Amino acid sequence: AQSVTQLDSQVPVFEEAPVELRCNYSSSVSVYLFWYVQYPNQGLQLLLKYLSGSTLVKGINGFEAEFNKSQTSFHLRKPSVHISDTAEYFCAVRIDQAGTALIFGKGTTLSVSS
Amino acid sequence: ETGVTQTPRHLVMGMTNKKSLKCEQHLGHNAMYWYKQSAKKPLELMFVYNFKEQTENNSVPSRFSPECPNSSHLFLHLHTLQPEDSALYLCASSNRNNANTEAFFGQGTRLTVV
Repeated sequence: AQSVTQLDSQVPVFEEAPVELRCNYSSSVSVYLFWYVQYPNQGLQLLLKYLSGSTLVKGINGFEAEFNKSQTSFHLRKPSVHISDTAEYFCAVRIDQAGTALIFGKGTTLSVSS
Repeated sequence: ETGVTQTPRHLVMGMTNKKSLKCEQHLGHNAMYWYKQSAKKPLELMFVYNFKEQTENNSVPSRFSPECPNSSHLFLHLHTLQPEDSALYLCASSNRNNANTEAFFGQGTRLTVV
């Protein structure tokens, strides 16, 4: 079975600083990888996804993620964060099989302060 | 507007009550999901429906009863719940034919059991 580990439960940063949110996965089969963001009292919104091809994926709101197959990682990065980036971030995987559901990590709370 | 609508947004119910959560998607998807999000716990997949057929039940207690009358609607019937069932319940939908597509989420129903 596949699983997702988000190594940091909370990441506090100052505004305009860079940030990296870490995600590692395990699976014996090919997977697709996703990052979602959840603002307070909201559902989840897709930030970006890795399907194939270039290992660097760019998403919305200036976020990007790099897929590293050898390290089974899919870390999320942003070079300069804003107060409005304060939210919960979830890494998710889905195996390459029709009809399967996304499996999520525990989430990382990003807190951006001025 | 995410294309996935959940009602109600907030629900307070007693342990002896019976209530239902509703989810509707306008995206033409053929797979729908219920997730439970509790404080300080990862998103838990509860049920998966593909083409109106339940294909996954992750050991969910019988006091939660899902219903999928068609591929656009999904319900979660609740009865004799416990206080620990208080959580955010998220509905999602996707195209089951392509594992490389993301799931779209509703804004969730915040359930409080008193």
